[in-house]
Amino acid sequence: QKEVEQDPGPLSVPEGAIVSLNCTYSNSAFQYFMWYRQYSRKGPELLMYTYSSGNKEDGRFTAQVDKSSKYISLFIRDSQPSDSATYLCAMSAKNTDKLIFGTGTRLQVFP
Amino acid sequence: SAVISQKPSRDICQRGTSLTIQCQVDSQVTMMFWYRQQPGQSLTLIATANQGSEATYESGFVIDKFPISRPNLTFSTLTVSNMSPEDSSIYLCSVPRTGRNFFGPGTRLTVL
Repeated sequence: QKEVEQDPGPLSVPEGAIVSLNCTYSNSAFQYFMWYRQYSRKGPELLMYTYSSGNKEDGRFTAQVDKSSKYISLFIRDSQPSDSATYLCAMSAKNTDKLIFGTGTRLQVFP
Repeated sequence: SAVISQKPSRDICQRGTSLTIQCQVDSQVTMMFWYRQQPGQSLTLIATANQGSEATYESGFVIDKFPISRPNLTFSTLTVSNMSPEDSSIYLCSVPRTGRNFFGPGTRLTVL
């Protein structure tokens, strides 16, 4: 079993839809949770960063962490064609900068 | 954030040759990380490059295959040695800053 599981998609939605992206994990030591966005032929770009359980909102993006269920989510409201990219979840334990990544979910938002 | 550049951005190489990838950061950092992203796979950490000491390799990666240099606090190189088609991947360097990890644009390597 992989430490981090993520549905690879692809996920195709119409413009304006609410998108939900999810990851599950098995290592209870993970404390820091991140979402990266990766456009084709580019490096990953940090989108959201959360520590422990709870919600964090930034514009159209909301990151949610449920440590009791070992489940994290990224919600995108009012999705735009420019949101079309691969979204990678990543996490790390305390006192380390090493990240464990999910496989990424490819999202396509069509006009 | 951090400004990270990589060279080359892409290359096509022949089996059995080696390629050295450069990573330059806009300010001094203690640690630099090298990741591999194989087609359809997640990013996998290859090694941690510390200035002034040997790199620390993750399970499944060895120094003979992926030698790393870290001559100063803003620069590192990763060499992919004796390449085979299985080494075709995107190679990314990453630096931690204020508890967050930032990535370079990646080097897309194709081995024929």
